[in-house]
Amino acid sequence: EDQVTQSPEALRLQEGESSSLNCSYTVSGLRGLFWYRQDPGKGPEFLFTLYSAGEEKEKERLKATLTKKESFLHITAPKPEDSATYLCAVNYGGSQGNLIFGKGTKLSVKP
Amino acid sequence: EAQVTQNPRYLITVTGKKLTVTCSQNMNHEYMSWYRQDPGLGLRQIYYSMNVEVTDKGDVPEGYKVSRKEKRNFPLILESPSPNQTSLYFCASSFTSGGLRTQYFGPGTRLTVL
Repeated sequence: EDQVTQSPEALRLQEGESSSLNCSYTVSGLRGLFWYRQDPGKGPEFLFTLYSAGEEKEKERLKATLTKKESFLHITAPKPEDSATYLCAVNYGGSQGNLIFGKGTKLSVKP
Repeated sequence: EAQVTQNPRYLITVTGKKLTVTCSQNMNHEYMSWYRQDPGLGLRQIYYSMNVEVTDKGDVPEGYKVSRKEKRNFPLILESPSPNQTSLYFCASSFTSGGLRTQYFGPGTRLTVL
């Protein structure tokens, strides 16, 4: 069964239409949750790391939050250049090296 | 410029012909990892290394080998490639500072095994 689930799989927004992406996880002993942005044909680009429930991080139009079971990536007043696939990953258990990724949410922002 | 480099970027090979994909980082990072990305399956970790001479299996290590003889390099070796290893491969490096971990990915290597 999936340990990291992202929803929706795809999201289409109009420019300026705020929304949220979800990442739910079922692992125990969470060490950290990570958000990345990936453009077609390129490597993922690091956005945020969250470590504990209640934590929030912001960067430009993006805000990431974390609870004990899920994380949200809020996008405020998106622009077409925010179009990309957003990936969530978790590190859990005894090793800092092991990461499990969700399958991503493909975001399209139309002008 | 801080970066992770991979070579080659594109490779077409035949079943059974040994190949190596190189990965190098210039940020003195301790952690390095290899992932493969397949449609519908997302990014899956193959191997990771927490420092020189310290490596461990990720979720899909079968058919792959790695080595970490130097801190900056982490090559991925396919001893006998098969068509099911056709994929997009990413190398990544990361460090932890003040409790915050930042991971940088390379540009990817698109491998086709015929």
